[in-house]
Amino acid sequence: DTGVSQDPRHKITKRGQNVTFRCDPISEHNRLYWYRQTLGQGPEFLTYFQNEAQLEKSRLLSDRFSAERPKGSFSTLEIQRTEQGDSAMYLCASSLDRAGGRFFGPGTRLTVL
Amino acid sequence: DQQVKQNSPSLSVQEGRISILNCDYTNSMFDYFLWYKKYPAEGPTFLISISSIKDKNEDGRFTVFLNKSAKHLSLHIVPSQPGDSAVYFCAASETGNQFYFGTGTSLTVIP
Repeated sequence: DTGVSQDPRHKITKRGQNVTFRCDPISEHNRLYWYRQTLGQGPEFLTYFQNEAQLEKSRLLSDRFSAERPKGSFSTLEIQRTEQGDSAMYLCASSLDRAGGRFFGPGTRLTVL
Repeated sequence: DQQVKQNSPSLSVQEGRISILNCDYTNSMFDYFLWYKKYPAEGPTFLISISSIKDKNEDGRFTVFLNKSAKHLSLHIVPSQPGDSAVYFCAASETGNQFYFGTGTSLTVIP
């Protein structure tokens, strides 16, 4: 399977804990995106990488959120001091270029108790 | 502040007929648009795109129409098949990187 993969698929944590998610994009894709989706809403852009450089971040992104793509391949999204409002599906997508469609992974569902 | 709107939360269509899904946007600087299909427990699947230099793009049974003056785009599926039943999202971007998604339309194709 050469699609976008995400790990874990589900994460339950207690409020105040830190969590980290991983995304492995399609291997030849140099662009990687993180989105968040809550029930009844469309995906909400969080941040974008081109290779290892983080080029855009949503102004709505709390400073508790940080993302890395150290070698331009996989990426991690960390949420520190989780809050119940962070409960959502976190989606990763990759693309080859600006004009290409984004290929999404299956998502990581986060539940903060 | 929803910059991309899908005002119909659901749509039911008979198999073989045309499905028309609509999307409106408010930002006149948006110049690139995507449609996605999403099944439960899966990530969105890219369907078709269109840039603002075109008013129509076709791929098999799927055609996207863009009306820039009305800030409106639509996705036509002809003929509709039961396997098309899913939630459809439109998305728009000014930069080609940060996309704004609508809230989705749930399509049910009735056999």
